Amino acid sequence: DSGVTQTPKHLITATGQRVTLRCSPRSGDLSVYWYQQSLDQGLQFLIQYYNGEERAKGNILERFSAQQFPDLHSELNLSSLELGDSALYFCASSLGLAGLALDEQFFGPGTRLTVL
Amino acid sequence: SQQGEEDPQALSIQEGENATMNCSYKTSINNLQWYRQNSGRGLVHLILIRSNEREKHSGRLRVTLDTSKKSSSLLITASRAADTASYFCATDVYSGAGSYQLTFGKGTKLSVIP
Repeated sequence: DSGVTQTPKHLITATGQRVTLRCSPRSGDLSVYWYQQSLDQGLQFLIQYYNGEERAKGNILERFSAQQFPDLHSELNLSSLELGDSALYFCASSLGLAGLALDEQFFGPGTRLTVL
Repeated sequence: SQQGEEDPQALSIQEGENATMNCSYKTSINNLQWYRQNSGRGLVHLILIRSNEREKHSGRLRVTLDTSKKSSSLLITASRAADTASYFCATDVYSGAGSYQLTFGKGTKLSVIP
């Protein structure tokens, strides 16, 4: 058990809909990362938050957004969903000391999103 | 495009044998990490090696890093059926404004046959 929790575990929805994925980082970790894993694209970095502020942005679509709250939990919002958004979405956390190269990340169990 | 590329894509060995996986990357790095993923589950961090280190051990794992060749290898000794998983290397890529992002390869799928 990594100490990172994600809800829900599974999500089935229709095209055009909007969903919210939730992540609680390990106790003491300030950084939260979101990744998308699909068979064709592999594991892709989406976005990182550090202590409530956006720190790095990867291949995140404009239809997707995220935030980190004062209690450090994070949410990833996916809107106008398309079939191609079906994937495993992982949240990871780390100490994320500002200004340093990336440290060890602890991954949650993931949310499997299916868009029909 | 992928920063890291693992080789081979798939590997099948008998229990007790050693397994070696390789990773090549394109740009300079601060550190390189190896992760394991059991089917459909979250990734588990195995080891982090910094750019000024050449070799690191953790239990049955041995990682080497050759920055001149931009490559790394992961050796699992005396493999067990429980080692069956996908293994990913990940490197930090500078993404601007003093921040980095972790970029993963496509992974090596290891099968250990009892």
